[in-house]
Amino acid sequence: DTGVSQNPRHKITKRGQNVTFRCDPISEHNRLYWYRQTLGQGPEFLTYFQNEAQLEKSRLLSDRFSAERPKGSFSTLEIQRTEQGDSAMYLCASSLIRLNQETQYFGPGTRLLVL
Amino acid sequence: QQQVKQSPQSLIVQKGGISIINCAYENTAFDYFPWYQQFPGKGPALLIAIRPDVSEKKEGRFTISFNKSAKQFSLHIMDSQPGDSATYFCAAKETSGSRLTFGEGTQLTVNP
Repeated sequence: DTGVSQNPRHKITKRGQNVTFRCDPISEHNRLYWYRQTLGQGPEFLTYFQNEAQLEKSRLLSDRFSAERPKGSFSTLEIQRTEQGDSAMYLCASSLIRLNQETQYFGPGTRLLVL
Repeated sequence: QQQVKQSPQSLIVQKGGISIINCAYENTAFDYFPWYQQFPGKGPALLIAIRPDVSEKKEGRFTISFNKSAKQFSLHIMDSQPGDSATYFCAAKETSGSRLTFGEGTQLTVNP
């Protein structure tokens, strides 16, 4: 499968714990996005990378959230000191930006439940 | 502030019927409008997309109609099938931007 992959697919954690999610984009895609989706809502943008540079962060991305994309390949999203409000589906998407046009392809998501 | 408003929230259609989902936007800088389909437990999958230089785009049973002056666009699913039962999201993006701004979604149920 050459699509976007995310691991783990599900994560249950206790409030206050740290969690880390991984996203592997489609090969050669230079942009990588993180979105959060809560039940019954559309995805909301969190942050994105172009190659290894993090170019934009949403106001939704509190200080407890950090994302990295070392070497411009896979990306990790870490949530420190999780809160119950962090429970959501975390979606990764990748794209190849070319002539200012792109199509974002989404992965299956990581569903986080904070108890 | 909801930048992309989607309606209806839910839609029930008989097999073979036409499903119509509408979206409206406020940001005139938006110039790319994709529709995504999402099944339970899966990530959104791109269905069809349009840019404002055309008023309609058709791919198979799926058609986007776009009204730039009204700042509205809609998805039409012809000959709806039970397999089309999913949640549909409209979205929008600025040329100079990166993020997709999504509508709230429409849960479509196609009865056999």
